[in-house]
Amino acid sequence: GAGVSQSPSNKVTEKGKDVELRCDPISGHTALYWYRQSLGQGLEFLIYFQGNSAPDKSGLPSDRFSAERTGGSVSTLTIQRTQQEDSAVYLCASSNGLAGGNTGELFFGEGSRLTVL
Amino acid sequence: AQKVTQAQTEISVVEKEDVTLDCVYETRDTTYYLFWYKQPPSGELVFLIRRNSFDEQNEISGRYSWNFQKSTSSFNFTITASQVVDSAVYFCALSERGNNRLAFGKGNQVVVIP
Repeated sequence: GAGVSQSPSNKVTEKGKDVELRCDPISGHTALYWYRQSLGQGLEFLIYFQGNSAPDKSGLPSDRFSAERTGGSVSTLTIQRTQQEDSAVYLCASSNGLAGGNTGELFFGEGSRLTVL
Repeated sequence: AQKVTQAQTEISVVEKEDVTLDCVYETRDTTYYLFWYKQPPSGELVFLIRRNSFDEQNEISGRYSWNFQKSTSSFNFTITASQVVDSAVYFCALSERGNNRLAFGKGNQVVVIP
């Protein structure tokens, strides 16, 4: 598709279960970002990929969170043993350069809303 | 460390009024980039503008204008003659040179009342 695609759009899970969130970036975009948006909060940076490697994963809140990217394209964010505080909208964005580089424009998906009961 | 502050959480205006959103940033870098994004109810963030730290010219795009003042570390955004379609959350963001991440403020919820 033309834009960043995320799935599922909505996910309701029980505390303690694992979830996987998928992001399909814009074709050709080498940079991929995951952000988390909680109610009343701004966007919290989680992880950044350049190609398949993640030079900056400093925003992942705990070791229950992990992410991978394959083929320089699709990325999966995995949350293990989900907790209620993980409830949020998880946003993916892609870019064809560094945020501070030549373009700077991040293209965002519509997000995956996660609710942990 | 990068930090962006958007103090006003929710702003309500009557249609056709002007509204200004304040953004104050903190950075130790001399080269940095400032952004504004719009998040309509659909949830997808839409890029509005990017400004580098060496370009302090104000910018106007239709009903949108931006006032960048390095002296006060502010990058304010004004919507002139607001319309109902302007109702959204607006985020200010900052990235430092060589830093991969955009640091976002908490956003301004703008409600335009018809």
